[in-house]
Amino acid sequence: KAGVTQTPRYLIKTRGQQVTLSCSPISGHRSVSWYQQTPGQGLQFLFEYFSETQRNKGNFPGRFSGRQFSNSRSEMNVSTLELGDSALYLCASSRTERGTDTQYFGPGTRLTVL
Amino acid sequence: AQKITQTQPGMFVQEKEAVTLDCTYDTSDPSYGLFWYKQPSSGEMIFLIYQGSYDQQNATEGRYSLNFQKARKSANLVISASQLGDSAMYFCAMRSTQGGSEKLVFGKGMKLTVNP
Repeated sequence: KAGVTQTPRYLIKTRGQQVTLSCSPISGHRSVSWYQQTPGQGLQFLFEYFSETQRNKGNFPGRFSGRQFSNSRSEMNVSTLELGDSALYLCASSRTERGTDTQYFGPGTRLTVL
Repeated sequence: AQKITQTQPGMFVQEKEAVTLDCTYDTSDPSYGLFWYKQPSSGEMIFLIYQGSYDQQNATEGRYSLNFQKARKSANLVISASQLGDSAMYFCAMRSTQGGSEKLVFGKGMKLTVNP
């Protein structure tokens, strides 16, 4: 079974631009979560989608948004990029939104904002 | 609020030796799950092992086992017979299992280096 895939793997943008990251979950998984990882803040939860509905949201500004499609694929968008948005963005999928279901992560998208 | 504490910033171990990575947690939820992930320098988070708060036995997965002490709120990862490929960052994480859609909370991680 194929794992979680994320595209693109690397991205370089400039301040003020916007970016869209994509995540394809493991087949049969309906929950997708997004995390931001930085050296200073560690791993921080962005949001979780299950069956096309946002079920949970972390403490990030409204510039960070996401959505999930009917095939469970998910995208996250960051508008008006800031230098501090440079990070590794990880997507994880699980069968359901239940806490007992293990989240499996993709390889991440490394975003650099110049 | 849930919190995960990993106090060891880094550890060194000789190949083929066993190593214990510490994790303590804090939660008021009676039902929760504990996870360990490995992150090599490539960046991908690799799931290692899961322990449910009501599980009677400590979880094991191959060379990985979890030393779960509920009263002490600790969930230490034990790696037996370390291999060079075990060198990576290790993260302990927790998620409430009551209700739905609770976020996964991570510790700050610790770096394990396995020496030949």
